[in-house]
Amino acid sequence: GQQLNQSPQSMFIQEGEDVSMNCTSSSIFNTWLWYKQDPGEGPVLLIALYKAGELTSNGRLTAQFGITRKDSFLNISASIPSDVGIYFCAGQLNRETSGSRLTFGEGTQLTVNP
Amino acid sequence: DAGITQSPRHKVTETGTPVTLRCHQTENHRYMYWYRQDPGHGLRLIHYSYGVKDTDKGEVSDGYSVSRSKTEDFLLTLESATSSQTSVYFCAISEWGETQYFGPGTRLLVL
Repeated sequence: GQQLNQSPQSMFIQEGEDVSMNCTSSSIFNTWLWYKQDPGEGPVLLIALYKAGELTSNGRLTAQFGITRKDSFLNISASIPSDVGIYFCAGQLNRETSGSRLTFGEGTQLTVNP
Repeated sequence: DAGITQSPRHKVTETGTPVTLRCHQTENHRYMYWYRQDPGHGLRLIHYSYGVKDTDKGEVSDGYSVSRSKTEDFLLTLESATSSQTSVYFCAISEWGETQYFGPGTRLLVL
């Protein structure tokens, strides 16, 4: 089946630093999504990307949909302690087909030291 | 936050016993999904539903069954739980063509 390679697996940074993580796929996706998961909770959608080349921001977060449609990256600027959590990328082949099935990356565990 | 609840939130059971997890939504969304989350694997789709009584398999469906008799409820059943089914289970919902929103999860330990 389709697989997403998400890197890095973990990051340990100082508060105030910028963060970058990415996902690559062997298959094309038509939608890329980025979720954040806090401990003991379900993933929460951060950013959705629907068009190749699209660059979208949500506060300190910026994500891009790769031109080849096989990759995406997420940047977090000026990190703060509440950015701690697991960040997941997810690819969706076609939003309008039955099931809207997502393929998830393995996640990036982010730790921010005050 | 999307109105999704999961019950129970935690469960400990023994190998060989049946287990049913419930997902309940108040959003009247058409699609509902069950995922499991394990270290090193991210989230993997078990089963999903695209309407009442309409379900289909995901990538890790062996050992699981589902039922959806009402729009708001999606049940996941482990007919005979095994230790390999120890995991955190998440329900998600979406409307046609929209992104998925996740519930708070159920931690299941099979001894």
